[in-house]
Amino acid sequence: GQNIDQPTEMTATEGAIVQINCTYQTSGFNGLFWYQQHAGEAPTFLSYNVLDGLEEKGRFSSFLSRSKGYSYLLLKELQMKDSASYLCAVGAAGNKLTFGGGTRVLVKP
Amino acid sequence: GAGVSQSPSNKVTEKGKDVELRCDPISGHTALYWYRQSLGQGLEFLIYFQGNSAPDKSGLPSDRFSAERTGGSVSTLTIQRTQQEDSAVYLCASSLGTGLRNTEAFFGQGTRLTVV
Repeated sequence: GQNIDQPTEMTATEGAIVQINCTYQTSGFNGLFWYQQHAGEAPTFLSYNVLDGLEEKGRFSSFLSRSKGYSYLLLKELQMKDSASYLCAVGAAGNKLTFGGGTRVLVKP
Repeated sequence: GAGVSQSPSNKVTEKGKDVELRCDPISGHTALYWYRQSLGQGLEFLIYFQGNSAPDKSGLPSDRFSAERTGGSVSTLTIQRTQQEDSAVYLCASSLGTGLRNTEAFFGQGTRLTVV
């Protein structure tokens, strides 16, 4: 089976940095995704890691350590529009995609 | 189509009635996923298809839930004898699903089901 854990909620200040951690245990691993979901909307893709290391994409970066079953999403220069839920998802063999419970990030002025 | 299309966008039904939710994936996407999301919660995996077959149905909450996919395209999720706890947003996603690597999943806007 698969078990994916991430914090429920985080609060940060506009302009600051926030790091959202995700730990996972899966039977088979085929990549880790981060999605952003604003309230009332569908999730949208942010990043994908399948090899160890850091992937940077503008203000967002995602890190993966396969040996530790660990990933984080780093949001820099936070903006008010970054207030959303951030979902960690693990891909398993056969293309099954399982999501964690999501982390609600609240950005305050 | 350009994106994943789900219908209806909203459905209100009486307890005990059957409902059918439809998902039209992105053309050429072989993998199709159904998730359920209650208010303020994460995505609960229900079932996924690789082509027309469903390798993993372990997420279906009960035997009142079933899903099918025909022609490697459109999928329907059927809930029989609906209960109030079935009220949620049902999200469908699709991905290319080819090769050894998972590929990015694209989501539809969901069907908001309310059982009264």
